[in-house]
Amino acid sequence: DQQVKQNSPSLSVQEGRISILNCDYTNSMFDYFLWYKKYPAEGPTFLISISSIKDKNEDGRFTVFLNKSAKHLSLHIVPSQPGDSAVYFCAASSMEYGNKLVFGAGTILRVKS
Amino acid sequence: KAGVTQTPRYLIKTRGQQVTLSCSPISGHRSVSWYQQTPGQGLQFLFEYFSETQRNKGNFPGRFSGRQFSNSRSEMNVSTLELGDSALYLCASSLGERIGYTFGSGTRLTVV
Repeated sequence: DQQVKQNSPSLSVQEGRISILNCDYTNSMFDYFLWYKKYPAEGPTFLISISSIKDKNEDGRFTVFLNKSAKHLSLHIVPSQPGDSAVYFCAASSMEYGNKLVFGAGTILRVKS
Repeated sequence: KAGVTQTPRYLIKTRGQQVTLSCSPISGHRSVSWYQQTPGQGLQFLFEYFSETQRNKGNFPGRFSGRQFSNSRSEMNVSTLELGDSALYLCASSLGERIGYTFGSGTRLTVV
């Protein structure tokens, strides 16, 4: 049972344009969401998070939007840079899970220069 | 400030053998969680240890086990290795509940 889904395995974007990565979840108990970026042979690096009491969180070029009614979140990267090329994972947690994160399968982002 | 350190970085084992992986958390972090990443899959939660006690466990067979020491370092063990256990094993430490969750670089295990 996949509780967190990233339906796009890959995304290709031109440098300078916006990258939009999407994530859907099924468990209504999830109340905290995170995005991680991962390069090959490295561990995931935390990017940005959002609590379910908010619908938007911004940090520099990265903005995460949460639509609780649709159980959907998205990560916007503006402007996209070649160094952003990596695998992006969406993760979710709930109070009952404590420190357990439930991850999506990831989206490969390629930013072309 | 040192990050999360995992050793070894790479490991090749034969089917049927057992393996032990090590994780040293960030200083002051008392929670250590383990994840398995296989091709095409997201990270799958294995278990979490806090103050030497297993606090949470994922859906993995009993061949996967772990422990945490008094200095918060953690080890995970996989017995009777199968080809399907080939994966990147990641450890994450955190300061508290969902605070400062930081991953190590992982151990790449290949079972032949």
